Amino acid sequence: DAGVTQSPTHLIKTRGQQVTLRCSPKSGHDTVSWYQQALGQGPQFIFQYYEEEERQRGNFPDRFSGHQFPNYSSELNVNALLLGDSALYLCASSLRTSVETQYFGPGTRLLVL
Amino acid sequence: AQTVTQSQPEMSVQEAETVTLSCTYDTSESDYYLFWYKQPPSRQMILVIRQEAYKQQNATENRFSVNFQKAAKSFSLKISDSQLGDAAMYFCAYRSAGGSNYKLTFGKGTLLTVNP
Repeated sequence: DAGVTQSPTHLIKTRGQQVTLRCSPKSGHDTVSWYQQALGQGPQFIFQYYEEEERQRGNFPDRFSGHQFPNYSSELNVNALLLGDSALYLCASSLRTSVETQYFGPGTRLLVL
Repeated sequence: AQTVTQSQPEMSVQEAETVTLSCTYDTSESDYYLFWYKQPPSRQMILVIRQEAYKQQNATENRFSVNFQKAAKSFSLKISDSQLGDAAMYFCAYRSAGGSNYKLTFGKGTLLTVNP
């Protein structure tokens, strides 16, 4: 049973660039959430996707956008990168009917120079 | 808005002994879920244990158990017979049970060191 997978594992960008991170949910899951984890902090909720729609959004600017595909995989896009966007980006998947338990992927480490 | 507080940035325990990690939370809701997640240096967040607020019985998973005090809004994690593999960052998290609030709210974490 494949767990949550994310790509790439590491990424280095410069300020002002754009980045796309990818996530494949655990087999059978239909809901994907994205979190940002700054160094030494707990994860912060960015948004959640279900049925290809953004269902809930956290306190992140519009530079952060996402997409969910018919196969339930998801992308996180960040435009106009800032130094402060450097973080570990975590994807979590769940079943809509059981959304209280979210299963996390290994994350993508983004460094903005 | 809900908040989660972990007051112990770091804890250490001797192998085979017991350690308790603290977590308090603030909410006006009556129905919710609480979680403990473990994040080893490999980064992958792993679910350790889950507690439904409507259940009075404390959750237990093998060597891991919780002490859930709803009135006090306290949710501590006890690890018995600690093993070297338990060394990790531990996060306490909250999620609403109803409405349209699906997000997990995390504390800042407690770094657990296990000494041989």
